[in-house]
Amino acid sequence: SYELTQPPSVSVSPGQTASITCSGDKLGDKDACWYQQKPGQSPVLVIYQHRKRPSGIPERFSGSNSGNTATLTISGTQAMDEADYYCQAWVSSTVVFGGGTKLTVL
Amino acid sequence: VQLVESGGGLVQPGGSLRLSCAASGFTLSPYWMSWVRQAPGKGLEWVANIKQDGSEKYYVDSVKGRFTISRDNVENSLYLQMNSLRAEDTAVYYCARVPFSSSWYDYWGQGTLVTVSS
Repeated sequence: SYELTQPPSVSVSPGQTASITCSGDKLGDKDACWYQQKPGQSPVLVIYQHRKRPSGIPERFSGSNSGNTATLTISGTQAMDEADYYCQAWVSSTVVFGGGTKLTVL
Repeated sequence: VQLVESGGGLVQPGGSLRLSCAASGFTLSPYWMSWVRQAPGKGLEWVANIKQDGSEKYYVDSVKGRFTISRDNVENSLYLQMNSLRAEDTAVYYCARVPFSSSWYDYWGQGTLVTVSS
């Protein structure tokens, strides 16, 4: 079965750039997206089709992909960005999520 | 746009539960819909998809034969019938909408908690 692999945790200082990776076989050929989830809340879409931002998502959130890896980048990270982040891809009418990355801003 | 889940609760192992997801602010019929769950302290796990007219349904292996996804486009609602429940099915269950011709979720419900325990 298809798997998406994320690092369990990433730490960043306020104002610095955070990068979260998501790896999967030929992921670049699929429309990967990213969700942010804060404690006790539902997930929120922050990036879709690898690099597009939904309306209302700050410009500091960006996405990229290369071969087997998609990357979520948060520039000028703020304390409010501390959350869990999940990548997701659609695979043959099923859906796969990465294991999630806890972003700590300290 | 709003999705509101209901029907969660405490159930014994081997029991059944039916979750509902009421959609408002939009018409359900043009959209693929999904159920996604999250066990306590764990990550997101996709559970099931259903096509716009209900003609295609897909499930994660761990629930095949036990769970059934369905929809009523007249009632603007999505459902998940869960049978033969196990402790490992304990989770918050979310319904989520797939925008037209896309492969991501643009709206999620607030979730409903299912606890399977004796």
